[in-house]
Amino acid sequence: GNSVTQMEGPVTLSEEAFLTINCTYTATGYPSLFWYVQYPGEGLQLLLKATKADDKGSNKGFEATYRKETTSFHLEKGSVQVSDSAVYFCALRSDLGSARQLTFGSGTQLTVLP
Amino acid sequence: GAGVSQSPSNKVTEKGKDVELRCDPISGHTALYWYRQSLGQGLEFLIYFQGNSAPDKSGLPSDRFSAERTGGSVSTLTIQRTQQEDSAVYLCASSLVGLAGDEQFFGPGTRLTVL
Repeated sequence: GNSVTQMEGPVTLSEEAFLTINCTYTATGYPSLFWYVQYPGEGLQLLLKATKADDKGSNKGFEATYRKETTSFHLEKGSVQVSDSAVYFCALRSDLGSARQLTFGSGTQLTVLP
Repeated sequence: GAGVSQSPSNKVTEKGKDVELRCDPISGHTALYWYRQSLGQGLEFLIYFQGNSAPDKSGLPSDRFSAERTGGSVSTLTIQRTQQEDSAVYLCASSLVGLAGDEQFFGPGTRLTVL
């Protein structure tokens, strides 16, 4: 079946530090890949997505590239801000059959200190 | 409203009681999903509705869980004879259609506590 493995947290960084949160997946076919973010006290929001190999999703300074050869979709940001403190979830959605639900990783808690 | 709404936002119940959780998807969205978020299990898929097709119930953890979607819009998730392990945040999401690349928009969730 489909699965997503992401970097264990929590991650604590100083403001303006470089961020990488690793995400690898197992899936048949060509899934779409997503990063969702959950800010404190808020619901899940889509951060970025990529629907085919070598696509790069980007939003709010975050980027992730769909690497089929390494089955990865690592999240990066060059300079984090305190406001980026949140829980980040990597997810995939299969393109096979009728299954359309998201399969999530376990989430990575990020805290950015001023 | 513009987003997915869920009610109630919080629900505390006693073990053995039945509960109903409601989801109002974004208008015009044909696909609706229920997930739950718990400390031990992370984010788990429960059930998926797409238009008038039979729902995908493959994620429901037991036959105490059921859901329906009336008129292709509002959905209700029912948990019968609640157990303490049912305590979690129940999330509803909707998307325009059911394509793999579609963005799913999530509601704020219902926090269920079973005493």
